[in-house]
Amino acid sequence: ETGVTQTPRHLVMGMTNKKSLKCEQHLGHNAMYWYKQSAKKPLELMFVYNFKEQTENNSVPSRFSPECPNSSHLFLHLHTLQPEDSALYLCASSQEGGWDEKLFFGSGTQLSVL
Amino acid sequence: RKEVEQDPGPFNVPEGATVAFNCTYSNSASQSFFWYRQDCRKEPKLLMSVYSSGNEDGRFTAQLNRASQYISLLIRDSKLSDSATYLCVVTLQRGGYNKLIFGAGTRLAVHP
Repeated sequence: ETGVTQTPRHLVMGMTNKKSLKCEQHLGHNAMYWYKQSAKKPLELMFVYNFKEQTENNSVPSRFSPECPNSSHLFLHLHTLQPEDSALYLCASSQEGGWDEKLFFGSGTQLSVL
Repeated sequence: RKEVEQDPGPFNVPEGATVAFNCTYSNSASQSFFWYRQDCRKEPKLLMSVYSSGNEDGRFTAQLNRASQYISLLIRDSKLSDSATYLCVVTLQRGGYNKLIFGAGTRLAVHP
């Protein structure tokens, strides 16, 4: 148990569906992240929130919409996705600020878009 | 050039072997360095930080060479349970915040 909980663990959706991924951290951290991991590729940073404010949007298509209602919760709303969006989506949190920034990851959501 | 480069492997080694991975990074302004471990179908977990003076944790030793812009991870007396993908991570400061850049990982397979 890393203190970062993600749901659902697996998700299959059609291209016209709307779904949401949820992340909750119990570590008292101030920064939360969404990463995408495709096969044989590095983790790609999607969004960063620091103290509930979005501080990074890494040129992510608008069909991915993040929401951070408070420092402990992070959502990723999905709408009209494409098959190439199938990947492992990882949420992470960290105690923002220092150079020695360590990430704590959730178990991820394995997403398949049909 | 990729910001963080790793040999994807796989490195196939017998139990008890010593194995070393290198990772190179392109931005000389990188401030912090880490190794993460990721098991198959699981999330990455921090293995260790990497300091200029070197860092040892049991069978694992990490080194940083700023002049040549690479970090290394040495695993001694490999165990079957060491089989995983090892991710090299560097930190840059951008826009007032720290940004972690991940390598694609090096896969290690330890066999009996």
